[in-house]
Amino acid sequence: DVKVTQSSRYLVKRTGEKVFLECVQDMDHENMFWYRQDPGLGLRLIYFSYDVKMKEKGDIPEGYSVSREKKERFSLILESASTNQTSMYLCASSFPSTGSTYNEQFFGPGTRLTVL
Amino acid sequence: GDSVTQMEGPVTLSEEAFLTINCTYTATGYPSLFWYVQYPGEGLQLLLKATKADDKGSNKGFEATYRKETTSFHLEKGSVQVSDSAVYFCALSGAAGNKLTFGGGTRVLVKP
Repeated sequence: DVKVTQSSRYLVKRTGEKVFLECVQDMDHENMFWYRQDPGLGLRLIYFSYDVKMKEKGDIPEGYSVSREKKERFSLILESASTNQTSMYLCASSFPSTGSTYNEQFFGPGTRLTVL
Repeated sequence: GDSVTQMEGPVTLSEEAFLTINCTYTATGYPSLFWYVQYPGEGLQLLLKATKADDKGSNKGFEATYRKETTSFHLEKGSVQVSDSAVYFCALSGAAGNKLTFGGGTRVLVKP
């Protein structure tokens, strides 16, 4: 089975702290994604990476950065956490999709982050 | 840009009832369409997909048909079970094929 794991299920941090969310996949996928999930808004893409050391901004990158030093690991960094970053964060991975071939994204269980 | 609109929940049903969740989309070109499901405490799982007009995706008793003329991809199940209680997300993969655009999600609660 494909496994996407995230370092924490629940996390509580204070405003201004630097926060690291880690994601690891075991399927040798090139693509990795970070989303945030908020009620009524669905999932919104923060960043994605299509190769080691490569990254691309998603729809809501402000206040976030990412790191991909190894193929299996993709980290999301909140440089200075704020209360409006309280959310559920989901990581996903996939093989690249080309043309009409879509390769399924596999999701981790999520990290519920609360910023006080 | 691409967008997906789905009906807001929660949708509350009795077991064995018929379920429909509406989904419409806006996209350039010919997107692929998906339904993902999120069970309590878990990440999202792909439920079904359709990659071209008039395709029907199906899985676990759920069905959805890609309707290009109405830009819709409504999810249906003829007889729901308590175990179908979850949040359902409609999504599309557009011209940038590696990215998904999600709708807001619909929470479904099935009561015994």
